[in-house]
Amino acid sequence: QVQLVQSGPEVKKPGASMRVSCKTSGYSFINYGITWVRQAPGQGLEWMGWISPYNGNTHSAQRFQGRVTLTTDTSASIAYMEVRSLRPDDTAVYFCARGNDAFDMWGQGTMLTVSS
Amino acid sequence: EIVMTQSPATLSVSPGERVTLYCRASQSISNTLAWYQQKFGQAPRLLVHGASTRATGIPARFSGTGSGTEFSLTISSLQSEDFAVYYCQHYNNWPPEYTFGQGTKLEIK
Repeated sequence: QVQLVQSGPEVKKPGASMRVSCKTSGYSFINYGITWVRQAPGQGLEWMGWISPYNGNTHSAQRFQGRVTLTTDTSASIAYMEVRSLRPDDTAVYFCARGNDAFDMWGQGTMLTVSS
Repeated sequence: EIVMTQSPATLSVSPGERVTLYCRASQSISNTLAWYQQKFGQAPRLLVHGASTRATGIPARFSGTGSGTEFSLTISSLQSEDFAVYYCQHYNNWPPEYTFGQGTKLEIK
């Protein structure tokens, strides 16, 4: 069955970087885009960026451009998101999801806490 | 930038009732709209895409309608497991950009 399994929770200090992974299985990795969505505590869903594992094309929300890097390892069917220059308001659950329009499968989420 | 606005923010309803949630786009988006359900502590679950097509495995009591700027999601007879937060989402194929509404919380009356 299709699965997206994300890496574990992270605690970082302001100014640090973090990388979260999203290991996929059960489908052809290159056939679907991977998107990243975050959710601050008690808040709604916020789209961050999208990557095509097929050709590496990426597109990020304007507010994250320059601070977020999306990559994939097609040999291992894993997607990665790196966020730099972390701030306390980056504290959130980060989700990966599969799809090029609607997102039909989601990872379980990775909690990031940014605190000094 | 397209803004998605959901209403109401919170809806208190009883099991068995019929309920309709609304989503409005700031400009026409044709049928590029999806609906998600999110329960506390869980990832979102896709319910509807293309404004009206139920996702795989979604019960028939969920139905989506609309096009252009006005959309709705109807749950015909609320079950206990339906109490959750619902989000609409616009998707743009290229460049791939996605915008979520702020969510509607469905709570038990």
